Amino acid sequence: GQQLNQSPQSMFIQEGEDVSMNCTSSSIFNTWLWYKQDPGEGPVLLIALYKAGELTSNGRLTAQFGITRKDSFLNISASIPSDVGIYFCAGHRAGTALIFGKGTTLSVSS
Amino acid sequence: GAVVSQHPSWVICKSGTSVKIECRSLDFQATTMFWYRQFPKQSLMLMATSNEGSKATYEQGVEKDKFLINHASLTLSTLTVTSAHPEDSSFYICSARYGSGFMETDTQYFGPGTRLTVL
Repeated sequence: GQQLNQSPQSMFIQEGEDVSMNCTSSSIFNTWLWYKQDPGEGPVLLIALYKAGELTSNGRLTAQFGITRKDSFLNISASIPSDVGIYFCAGHRAGTALIFGKGTTLSVSS
Repeated sequence: GAVVSQHPSWVICKSGTSVKIECRSLDFQATTMFWYRQFPKQSLMLMATSNEGSKATYEQGVEKDKFLINHASLTLSTLTVTSAHPEDSSFYICSARYGSGFMETDTQYFGPGTRLTVL
């Protein structure tokens, strides 16, 4: 099935650094969602975006819904060791299942 | 927030046996649930969409006779892997849709996953 283009595939950063990852699509979505998955667990919803241009924060996380409806980014500020995991973007259109990106694996060294 | 549970969290079975995995939405009703399969270091692969009171919709390439899905109530969907074989070993994750599916504010919440190992 269709997948979103998510980049980077992996990141290795130092504790305290900021992180940015993004997703792009060739088609429009009505909703963008960002999830985090820890090893052996299911994805946990971090941020949901419902309007083009919307900028939403959740603690140290900030995400934006692209104005074209075809992209979204997620920023993590001042990373900490517990930020380690796989981050997935997902796009949604009415009446359909979520379409996922391939994930960004984040490693944080202290 | 919305909570989705899965049971069991892990299961080991012999080749040829059947395994049932339960997915429950604990604090909301979900007319639609989804079943995903995930291989190591890969994204989630949608297997099927489960609608309460009707037959599941399977994605292309997913054997409906092998992966039986039942969505008998608004809070419970089950996935039964029939005649399991080692190649069915994987991480199975369910999710439940909060909302009708046709609203901008619809969101999917995921269960913690079930690790299936077939010997």
